[in-house]
Amino acid sequence: EAQVTQNPRYLITVTGKKLTVTCSQNMNHEYMSWYRQDPGLGLRQIYYSMNVEVTDKGDVPEGYKVSRKEKRNFPLILESPSPNQTSLYFCASSPTTGMAHEKNIQYFGAGTRLSVL
Amino acid sequence: AQSVTQPDIHITVSEGASLELRCNYSYGATPYLFWYVQSPGQGLQLLLKYFSGDTLVQGIKGFEAEFKRSQSSFNLRKPSVHWSDAAEYFCAVGVTGTASKLTFGTGTRLQVTL
Repeated sequence: EAQVTQNPRYLITVTGKKLTVTCSQNMNHEYMSWYRQDPGLGLRQIYYSMNVEVTDKGDVPEGYKVSRKEKRNFPLILESPSPNQTSLYFCASSPTTGMAHEKNIQYFGAGTRLSVL
Repeated sequence: AQSVTQPDIHITVSEGASLELRCNYSYGATPYLFWYVQSPGQGLQLLLKYFSGDTLVQGIKGFEAEFKRSQSSFNLRKPSVHWSDAAEYFCAVGVTGTASKLTFGTGTRLQVTL
């Protein structure tokens, strides 16, 4: 089954304790992205990757890191989490890096709810 | 920069009634437009998309949306709502040359009363 898998689904941590949220897709997609969802703000892009070893900042990258060492995996790293990073996080992937192709839709994981105390 | 406005934060409809969720976008050229649905505790599922061509697009679960360039709108409609449609709905715009990035609206939460 084609899917985007995020782990963990729920995470409670304390300020300053490094954490990693994993994301894996089994569709051989080039493009992967992380979003955070906050009430009243919708989804905002944190980082994206157009292919292996190619990553770039989205709209709200402060406090986050990513890596893309393999095509299928795109982990999100919070090296020193703070309470303002309490949010619902989504990983997404799409087949290509250009928007013009009609098959270029984004598939989303089920989300990771993070609480930073 | 592109933006999306969903004016209604929360909408309540009775089961069987018709539904229209509003979405307005701001972008200088023809956008690519999407509606996603998020059921409680779930990820986002694509309902429908507009890339080009016919401005009335059909999606899954009986939803449709109409692209109106003159009004910069892409409203989502359903003729008869089912209780299982209760969820949060997001409109999003994608633009060319930005590596598949989507800009989302703030969402509309739909409540369905029996």
